[in-house]
This record gives sequence, structure tokens and C-alpha cells, in this order.
Amino acid sequence: DAGVIQSPRHEVTEMGQEVTLRCKPISGHNSLFWYRQTMMRGLELLIYFNNNVPIDDSGMPEDRFSAKMPNASFSTLKIQPSEPRDSAVYFCASREKQGRPQHFGDGTRLSIL
Amino acid sequence: GESVGLHLPTLSVQEGDNSIINCAYSNSASDYFIWYKQESGKGPQFIIDIRSNMDKRQGQRVTVLLNKTVKHLSLQIAATQPGDSAVYFCAEKRRGGADGLTFGKGTHLIIQP
Repeated sequence: DAGVIQSPRHEVTEMGQEVTLRCKPISGHNSLFWYRQTMMRGLELLIYFNNNVPIDDSGMPEDRFSAKMPNASFSTLKIQPSEPRDSAVYFCASREKQGRPQHFGDGTRLSIL
Repeated sequence: GESVGLHLPTLSVQEGDNSIINCAYSNSASDYFIWYKQESGKGPQFIIDIRSNMDKRQGQRVTVLLNKTVKHLSLQIAATQPGDSAVYFCAEKRRGGADGLTFGKGTHLIIQP
């Protein structure tokens, strides 16, 4: 079975540019989570959706970050404008239902120059 | 603030020996705990989970123990193999709280031949 699919795997861009990260959750999963991983702060939750509806975005660092889930099979995380401190690995995870484990994609490694 | 922490950042064991990775948590309101394994360049991979109404749960070669009295969680890996080398994270979910997981900093398990 296909797991969580993220694209691109790597992204290098200059500061000030718009960055869009994409995620396809596991089919049939009704919750989707975006996390960010850095050496200094570890894995941190940014935002999550239940049934395509954003539930908790308190982890989104600034207004420069936005996330959407237009349908059950696709989500985007956008950074505009990007800054060097946004450099990190961004993970998407999905979950079948409450009480079940989250399953992670292999992440997008983002470097902002 | 409340957080999940790990006692040892690096653990080195001989191949074939048993490994024990420890995790201390401070949020007594947490009701669900989960262990992930992360290999280089990949996303966290689900290993095993446990709910707060349980003390022990076993999987294939892995056992998770939960001691709510001292807020301690451990992951035991039996007969470690080279493929067990990775960073291991514990994570918690707060009872009645948002569904996102709070992750510990991770322990790097190294298997010596």
C-alpha cells in the first residue's frame, strides 16, 4: 500500500521566494498533520486537519505560513515570503481515525539561502 | 513548559543484545504514547503505541512499558539487529487536548557488530 507521499523531496530557494510543499495522505485517512523538524527544536506540530477542516494551527510560526486541504487526498503548506530560518525538514502525516497512530511521509528538506 | 524528554541522547549496544530506550514525560494529562523509529533521510516510522490504561504492550521484538506513577516510558528491543540502528522518538498526546503529538528529542541507537 502507498504511504504518505510528499513532494518535492528537496527544495532549495532564495529568501523571499514562495515555497509550496505538497502532501498526499494515505487513502481513507481522515486526519492530516504537518510537522517541522530541526536540530534545535526537534519535531514540532504546525497544523492539523480533520476531514479537510483545519482544527489547530497554533503551531504555525507566523502569518507567512499557510496550509490548505482542498480535498481528502491533497494538502499544501505554503511559505511566503520564505526566510533562511525556515530551513528544516517538513513532514506530513496522516491518521485513519482518532486513537490510531499517525503515519509519516519521508519529508521535504527545505533550504532557504 | 511541559514536555517529553529522553534520558540518553546516544545508546550503543552489541548486536544480539537487548536495548532499552527511556523517556520521561511531565504531562500527567497525557493518555496516549507512541514510539517512532527514524532512519537517516526518512520520516518517523511507527513502532508501537500504548494507552494510559495499560502498563505494558508487546509487539514483534519490541515491548513498551508505561509507569504512570513516575511518568516514565520505555521501549525494549530484543535481540537487536544492525537494522535497528536509528533515532528513536517517544511522543505523547494529551487527554482531551489537540490531536497533535508532542515529541521528545530522540535517542540515537547504535548497534555494534
